[in-house]
Amino acid sequence: DQQVKQNSPSLSVQEGRISILNCDYTNSMFDYFLWYKKYPAEGPTFLISISSIKDKNEDGRFTVFLNKSAKHLSLHIVPSQPGDSAVYFCAASGDYGGATNKLIFGTGTLLAVQP
Amino acid sequence: DTGVSQNPRHKITKRGQNVTFRCDPISEHNRLYWYRQTLGQGPEFLTYFQNEAQLEKSRLLSDRFSAERPKGSFSTLEIQRTEQGDSAMYLCASSLIGDNEQFFGPGTRLTVL
Repeated sequence: DQQVKQNSPSLSVQEGRISILNCDYTNSMFDYFLWYKKYPAEGPTFLISISSIKDKNEDGRFTVFLNKSAKHLSLHIVPSQPGDSAVYFCAASGDYGGATNKLIFGTGTLLAVQP
Repeated sequence: DTGVSQNPRHKITKRGQNVTFRCDPISEHNRLYWYRQTLGQGPEFLTYFQNEAQLEKSRLLSDRFSAERPKGSFSTLEIQRTEQGDSAMYLCASSLIGDNEQFFGPGTRLTVL
């Protein structure tokens, strides 16, 4: 069962416009959410995160919004730049009764920013 | 801070052979994770260490897989009697206790022929 879902496999936007990447989750035990960016042949790079006690977190061009009632989060990138072209993974962690903090990842969205 | 490093970056092996990967976490990080990523999927959790103790293993980690972190610093992941289904990117990540953000290495790409 896919607990973290990214339903859009790909997204194409024009340089300078806003990119919106979406993520849905099913497990109400998740209490922390992260976005990672991945280039081919590299490991995921941490971008931004949000705790479940917040509904928004902003870092420069990147903003993450969390809607707990809908079990939905989104990553906004504005303005989008060609260097943002990569695969974006949504990930979640929660209190599973242990101390693992293991991350559960979605399947990723390939963002292409056109010059 | 040199980040998380993994060696080798690529490994090609024949079915039935044993392989071992190494991960060097960020030096002060006491938590270390192994994940596996296959094509079109996100990384999947394999196992987790806090210092030298292996505290959780996924059901994905069959008996052919073993991981160690002998002195609470670097870790090794060994796969015995490799199968073609083991072909994947093996990722290592580390973090501090109390931090939710995990920092990933570049991965080891395993190809089993």
